[in-house]
Amino acid sequence: DTGVSQNPRHKITKRGQNVTFRCDPISEHNRLYWYRQTLGQGPEFLTYFQNEAQLEKSRLLSDRFSAERPKGSFSTLEIQRTEQGDSAMYLCASSLGGTGKGEQYFGPGTRLTVT
Amino acid sequence: DAKTTQPPSMDCAEGRAANLPCNHSTISGNEYVYWYRQIHSQGPQYIIHGLKNNETNEMASLIITEDRKSSTLILPHATLRDTAVYYCIVKPDSWGKLQFGAGTQVVVTP
Repeated sequence: DTGVSQNPRHKITKRGQNVTFRCDPISEHNRLYWYRQTLGQGPEFLTYFQNEAQLEKSRLLSDRFSAERPKGSFSTLEIQRTEQGDSAMYLCASSLGGTGKGEQYFGPGTRLTVT
Repeated sequence: DAKTTQPPSMDCAEGRAANLPCNHSTISGNEYVYWYRQIHSQGPQYIIHGLKNNETNEMASLIITEDRKSSTLILPHATLRDTAVYYCIVKPDSWGKLQFGAGTQVVVTP
């Protein structure tokens, strides 16, 4: 399967713990996006990378959140000192830059539950 | 980016065409109309997009009004697998972040 993959698919953690999620984009895609989705809402943009450069961050991305994309391949999203309000589905998407449709391909998401 | 307005829910009979409306009255000349859908417990899936002209692909057709203030996504022969939340999004280029609203929950019934 050459789609976007995310690991883990589910994560349960206690408040105050740190968690890290991984996203592996489609191999030739140079753009990678992170979104967060809470129950009953549409996904909300968090941040995006072009290659290894982080080009935009949402104000939703507090200082407890950090994302990296070393070498422009996979990406990690870390949440420090988790809070119950961080419970959500974290979605990753990738796209091919330049001309073209630019459609984003989404992974299955990582569901985070903070207890 | 322009805001979109969609009905919260729609029902459609299996085998019939589903016509999903979207209002985007504040759309700018350089903004595209994108449609994505999200089947339960999956990530969103790209359906189609357009700028001015009507578009058709293997999944759906997109009809954009001449003034570009509204559009309609048409699923020509709805199946049970088309049950999903459908999002209409406008944005200024073919790349960059997507700003999702609440979307339209479409339920296809036998």
